[in-house]
Amino acid sequence: EDQVTQSPEALRLQEGESSSLNCSYTVSGLRGLFWYRQDPGKGPEFLFTLYSAGEEKEKERLKATLTKKESFLHITAPKPEDSATYLCAVRSAGAGGTSYGKLTFGQGTILTVHP
Amino acid sequence: NAGVTQTPKFRVLKTGQSMTLLCAQDMNHEYMYWYRQDPGMGLRLIHYSVGEGTTAKGEVPDGYNVSRLKKQNFLLGLESAAPSQTSVYFCASRPMRGEQYFGPGTRLTVT
Repeated sequence: EDQVTQSPEALRLQEGESSSLNCSYTVSGLRGLFWYRQDPGKGPEFLFTLYSAGEEKEKERLKATLTKKESFLHITAPKPEDSATYLCAVRSAGAGGTSYGKLTFGQGTILTVHP
Repeated sequence: NAGVTQTPKFRVLKTGQSMTLLCAQDMNHEYMYWYRQDPGMGLRLIHYSVGEGTTAKGEVPDGYNVSRLKKQNFLLGLESAAPSQTSVYFCASRPMRGEQYFGPGTRLTVT
């Protein structure tokens, strides 16, 4: 069974204070690790997909990295508008070699950036 | 493109009542999914569909039924609502390759 654990549950930062969010996973045959952003009252919004250990992707102040056991979402010099819940999810190979794109999500990290 | 839309946005039901949530996507995606999101539980998959006329059970299917008569629509039904089904429901769609795109959600309260 695929499992995803995110830490911390909540993170409070001052504007400009860089930090990282962690996503630990166990999966049989990783077919992708996904990061989403979710604003209050809205649906998750896609940020990144990582497929193999050592891969990195960047978007504005966000950088996602992947190892064989975990992923990090690094936030550099955050702004108040970066406040949101960040969700991590994995897609596995599944029984028979396909999971039909199903995702297993972590519980999320609530990020608050104070001005 | 509207992307993924969900109706209604909010609904209050009494225990035992039934209702249907509608998800529509205009991106010609093959795969569609229904999730529920509860505090501290993350997003959990209820049912999913890999194409028109097909459906399959996810992680928490009990008490729900689904149908996908048209490629662009995925319906989630509650035949006899229970307070444990109070949640926020999200629909998502995905092309054959790529990430899932989510709708704005439906907040359901069962009293």
